[in-house]
Amino acid sequence: KAGVTQTPRYLIKTRGQQVTLSCSPISGHRSVSWYQQTPGQGLQFLFEYFSETQRNKGNFPGRFSGRQFSNSRSEMNVSTLELGDSALYLCASSLAGDPNQPQHFGDGTRLSIL
Amino acid sequence: AQKITQTQPGMFVQEKEAVTLDCTYDTSDPSYGLFWYKQPSSGEMIFLIYQGSYDQQNATEGRYSLNFQKARKSANLVISASQLGDSAMYFCAMSPMNSGYSTLTFGKGTMLLVSP
Repeated sequence: KAGVTQTPRYLIKTRGQQVTLSCSPISGHRSVSWYQQTPGQGLQFLFEYFSETQRNKGNFPGRFSGRQFSNSRSEMNVSTLELGDSALYLCASSLAGDPNQPQHFGDGTRLSIL
Repeated sequence: AQKITQTQPGMFVQEKEAVTLDCTYDTSDPSYGLFWYKQPSSGEMIFLIYQGSYDQQNATEGRYSLNFQKARKSANLVISASQLGDSAMYFCAMSPMNSGYSTLTFGKGTMLLVSP
């Protein structure tokens, strides 16, 4: 069974640009969550999508947005990039509602802002 | 809101010894799940063990066990018979049941180093 796939693995952007990250969940998983990991703030929840709807949202500005497609694949978009957006962005998928089927994470996309 | 506190930035242990990684939490949610994840230097997050807030027994998964003390709001991870491959960052996390357990709040992590 294929795991969670995130593309691209690495990205370099400059301030003011926008970026789109992609996440393909494990087959059958309908919930996709996004997290940001930085040395200073640690791991922080961004948002969660379930059946193409944003179901939960963390405390991030509106520059961070996402969507989910009918095949459960999800994209995350960050507009007007700032230096502080440099981070490892992790995507996780799960069979939502069953904690015995916990979130499985992808390898992440490392975003660097110059 | 939830909060996870991991007070040990780093821990050293010798191979084959047991080690306990501390985790305390705070939440106003009546039902929640507690999770431990391992993150090696390669970056991927690996699920280790889960404990439900209403579970009477402590969870165990192979060499991992979770020492859950609900009244003290602690969920310590115990690794028995440490191996060199256990060297990694360990994160304690929690998620409320009403979010479908899909909104993890993480602690800052504990770096575990296992020596021969």
